[in-house]
Amino acid sequence: GNSVTQMEGPVTLSEEAFLTINCTYTATGYPSLFWYVQYPGEGLQLLLKATKADDKGSNKGFEATYRKETTSFHLEKGSVQVSDSAVYFCALRTSGSRLTFGEGTQLTVNP
Amino acid sequence: NAGVTQTPKFQVLKTGQSMTLQCAQDMNHEYMSWYRQDPGMGLRLIHYSVGAGITDQGEVPNGYNVSRSTTEDFPLRLLSAAPSQTSVYFCASSYSGPQGGNGYTFGSGTRLTVV
Repeated sequence: GNSVTQMEGPVTLSEEAFLTINCTYTATGYPSLFWYVQYPGEGLQLLLKATKADDKGSNKGFEATYRKETTSFHLEKGSVQVSDSAVYFCALRTSGSRLTFGEGTQLTVNP
Repeated sequence: NAGVTQTPKFQVLKTGQSMTLQCAQDMNHEYMSWYRQDPGMGLRLIHYSVGAGITDQGEVPNGYNVSRSTTEDFPLRLLSAAPSQTSVYFCASSYSGPQGGNGYTFGSGTRLTVV
């Protein structure tokens, strides 16, 4: 079956620090990969996605590259801001299947 | 605005009461799902639907019923509320795609407390 493993949180950084949140997956077939962000008190929003190997998804300064050889989709940002404080979910989906989520990583950015 | 609309946003129920959480989308999405989110437990799938008239169980279906009579609506029914059902509930929808390349669009959630 499909599964997603995210690095355990919470993660606390200072403003302008470099961010990496690790995500690895197991899947049957060729999945599409996603990062979702959940700001306090809100629903999940799609942050970025990649649909095939070596694709790079990017949005709002965040990036993640679909690495088939290491089954990974790590989220990175070069300089985080206080407004990036949120919970980040890695997810995958294969054809016709449901979206499978990781457990989520809480990020807190301090000024 | 196009999207997924959930009502109500907040609800307090007494143990044993029943209620329906509403979810509607106007994007003509085939897939619709209900998740619950509990502290430290991520998102857990309750029920999902791949089209009108077709529903199936997710990871935690007990105590909940769903139906999908139209493409737009996917209500979630709590049959007899229990304190263990205190949670935040999210509805989500998406197109189907040949590679599953479409992510889900989420509603803003319903915060349910059962006392």
